[in-house]
Amino acid sequence: DAGVIQSPRHEVTEMGQEVTLRCKPISGHNSLFWYRQTMMRGLELLIYFNNNVPIDDSGMPEDRFSAKMPNASFSTLKIQPSEPRDSAVYFCASSLLPDTQYFGPGTRLTVL
Amino acid sequence: SQKIEQNSEALNIQEGKTATLTCNYTNYSPAYLQWYRQDPGRGPVFLLLIRENEKEKRKERLKVTFDTTLKQSLFHITASQPADSATYLCALDGSGYSTLTFGKGTMLLVSP
Repeated sequence: DAGVIQSPRHEVTEMGQEVTLRCKPISGHNSLFWYRQTMMRGLELLIYFNNNVPIDDSGMPEDRFSAKMPNASFSTLKIQPSEPRDSAVYFCASSLLPDTQYFGPGTRLTVL
Repeated sequence: SQKIEQNSEALNIQEGKTATLTCNYTNYSPAYLQWYRQDPGRGPVFLLLIRENEKEKRKERLKVTFDTTLKQSLFHITASQPADSATYLCALDGSGYSTLTFGKGTMLLVSP
C-alpha cells in the first residue's frame, strides 16, 4: 500500500484566498483524522471522521475551516478565507479503530 | 482539562548509551498510551502502544513503561544510534471518540 497520500505537499497563498488540502487514506481504514502542527501548539486534532461521517469537529478553529469526506477514499480540508495565522503543517491520518494512526507526509501551508 | 507534558529541551546522548524520554499527564486516566517518532519534514510514525493494565512493553531496542499511579510513561532506546535522532511524541487516547491527544514531543540527538 502507498500509505496515506496528501496533496499538495507545499502551498503558499495570500491572505484571503481559499485553500483546499486533500487526503487519500489507506484503503480499508475506517477512520480519518486531520491535524495541524505548529511549534507553539504542537499537533492538534482538527476533525475526526468514522465511516465517512464527521464524529468530532471540536478542534476546528472557526467557521473558516471546513472538512468533507465524500467517500472512503478521499477527504478535503478547506480554509476560506485564509489568514497568516493558519500557516502550519497539516497532517491527515487514517486508522482501523481503535488501533494506531498512520500519518501522511503533511502539507506545509504558508499564508502571506 | 487533560494535559500532556514532555521535556521541551532536546536530549543529547552519546551513541551506544540508553536514551530515556518522559511523558507525564494530568487530569486524565487513559486506556492506552502510544509513542510516535517524527523526522523533520515527515509525519509521525507509530512505534509502540501500551495499555493501562500493562506495566512494560518491548520491541527490539525500544522499551516503554506505563505507571498509572505516577501518571507517567518512560520511553527507552537502548544502544542508541545516530539514526535514532528524531522527535518522539507520546499520545494518549482521547475523550472516548478513539482520538489521540499528543504531547509536543522531545527531540533526541544521538552523537557518534
